[in-house]
Amino acid sequence: NAGVTQTPKFRILKIGQSMTLQCTQDMNHNYMYWYRQDPGMGLKLIYYSVGAGITDKGEVPNGYNVSRSTTEDFPLRLELAAPSQTSVYFCASSLQGGRTEAFFGQGTRLTVV
Amino acid sequence: AQRVTQPEKLLSVFKGAPVELKCNYSYSGSPELFWYVQYSRQRLQLLLRHISRESIKGFTADLNKGETSFHLKKPFAQEEDSAMYYCALRGWSNQFYFGTGTSLTVIP
Repeated sequence: NAGVTQTPKFRILKIGQSMTLQCTQDMNHNYMYWYRQDPGMGLKLIYYSVGAGITDKGEVPNGYNVSRSTTEDFPLRLELAAPSQTSVYFCASSLQGGRTEAFFGQGTRLTVV
Repeated sequence: AQRVTQPEKLLSVFKGAPVELKCNYSYSGSPELFWYVQYSRQRLQLLLRHISRESIKGFTADLNKGETSFHLKKPFAQEEDSAMYYCALRGWSNQFYFGTGTSLTVIP
């Protein structure tokens, strides 16, 4: 079972470049999330989606954009990369309702130089 | 507002010693709480959830609504327990709120 798959695993960007972090899940989960993980800061929610066509901002959305055209895919777009966006990015998905946890991808380690 | 607090960023214990990772939460409704574990450079994976009241890899956690706590405990730490541990709360909007994490090191 694939679960949540993220690509790429690693990326180095130059300041001002743009890129898209890909995330796909095969569990038919309606909820999907993007988090960034910084040392000592835990996981901060960037954006989330409750279903295809619906997205909303999390705690730290500035500098990012998302789209959700299908249930499976939830790409994260960085338009103008900045050093402050150097982080590890995790995509996650979950079902709505009780007794359900979030399932995570393996992460994307992004460095902006 | 929802909030999860893990007061210890780093915790070191000797192998065979008991370990307790603290987690406190702030939530106005009935919380759903989880512990996630992240081994070195791997994805986060669910360790346990309070609803299940289960023991996974020897770890247990009890929800104490009076103290708004969900501490993770293990009576005898093992070297393979060394990892980052995150306490998480699922809020009413199905968002997951994470604490800042505790890095546990088990010393041989």
